[in-house]
Amino acid sequence: GAVVSQHPSWVICKSGTSVKIECRSLDFQATTMFWYRQFPKQSLMLMATSNEGSKATYEQGVEKDKFLINHASLTLSTLTVTSAHPEDSSFYICSARGAVGGQPQHFGDGTRLSIL
Amino acid sequence: AQSVTQPDIHITVSEGASLELRCNYSYGATPYLFWYVQSPGQGLQLLLKYFSGDTLVQGIKGFEAEFKRSQSSFNLRKPSVHWSDAAEYFCAVGDNTDKLIFGTGTRLQVFP
Repeated sequence: GAVVSQHPSWVICKSGTSVKIECRSLDFQATTMFWYRQFPKQSLMLMATSNEGSKATYEQGVEKDKFLINHASLTLSTLTVTSAHPEDSSFYICSARGAVGGQPQHFGDGTRLSIL
Repeated sequence: AQSVTQPDIHITVSEGASLELRCNYSYGATPYLFWYVQSPGQGLQLLLKYFSGDTLVQGIKGFEAEFKRSQSSFNLRKPSVHWSDAAEYFCAVGDNTDKLIFGTGTRLQVFP
């Protein structure tokens, strides 16, 4: 149980384009979803937290107009990197947590984004 | 400030040997503690978690971890390592399961 699917797993695009990444909880209702960014050989840095039906809460230093997060249903959250540039290239990982107290976060397999 | 320290960046062990990965934390309140494993190019898989109760926690894949409040530690152990255990291991701490602070990770290499 507690499977989180992330799509796509890998994307390459030209500088200036926008890229959407989907995160789905397959077998549970994810009231809260999280988006992380991971640079090579480094740890995960939380970008934002989203609750279903609410605006996302962004961590300090994360541009909310650059990284648009939508959490319109209990099973789907999307991260859109707008006008992507090479410095946005990274590994993006989502996680999801159910509503029951004490539930841990379950992670997707990540999306490797490469901006040319 | 809240933080997690994994002192060992890279550990190499022989298959069948025992393993201990260190994790120290700095946290104001009673923490929620987690160990996650990440294979190359993939997301994180939860190995085990500690919220309260018995300080020795059993996880998946034969891993266990012990919470030692006096030492602010939550070290991960496995009595006999398998080649498939080679991966990156992250310790994480939080006040609930939302805002997690991750350590920098320990890369485990297993020799046959």
